[in-house]
Amino acid sequence: AQTVTQSQPEMSVQEAETVTLSCTYDTSENNYYLFWYKQPPSRQMILVIRQEAYKQQNATENRFSVNFQKAAKSFSLKISDSQLGDTAMYFCAFTFGGSQGNLIFGKGTKLSVKP
Amino acid sequence: AAGVIQSPRHLIKEKRETATLKCYPIPRHDTVYWYQQGPGQDPQFLISFYEKMQSDKGSIPDRFSAQQFSDYHSELNMSSLELGDSALYFCASSLESGDTEAFFGQGTRLTVV
Repeated sequence: AQTVTQSQPEMSVQEAETVTLSCTYDTSENNYYLFWYKQPPSRQMILVIRQEAYKQQNATENRFSVNFQKAAKSFSLKISDSQLGDTAMYFCAFTFGGSQGNLIFGKGTKLSVKP
Repeated sequence: AAGVIQSPRHLIKEKRETATLKCYPIPRHDTVYWYQQGPGQDPQFLISFYEKMQSDKGSIPDRFSAQQFSDYHSELNMSSLELGDSALYFCASSLESGDTEAFFGQGTRLTVV
């Protein structure tokens, strides 16, 4: 069975600083996708970044980047130049096969960005 | 750009009543997914449909059923509601073919009293 583990229930960071959220997963699959979703107080689920397991290059989206370590089954999210609007719950998620909507989520990390 | 539309946004029902949640996917998306997110919990996958056929099944209770219609919208029917069914219900849609991620709707908040 696939599992996703986020070991940091809560984190805080000062505005403009950098923060890294951790995620590990367990799977026997070889072809899969990993995601970070952001859920602000509005409860909308917003895709932050996506990584295909077959790609060795780490994904980057503006201030968001990942450190994907396939052998270690680790998928951390780095947020640079943190902004107040980054305050949200962040979920790491996994899926395999062709369908990218059948997601297994971690328990989430609540990130607070302080002014 | 058009997004996933869910209705209603909020719903209050009494125990043992029935509720129907609706989801309208992004135009041309052929796959719909339903999730349940309890208070303080991560979203749990319930069920998905591709081209009007059930494609995958997760932790959906037997009291719940769902279907996808010819216009690709989907409905989640929930019967004999229990207090524990109070949650945020998300619908997401994607294109089954091609390398595309799923896009989430804003959710329906169901409160069972």
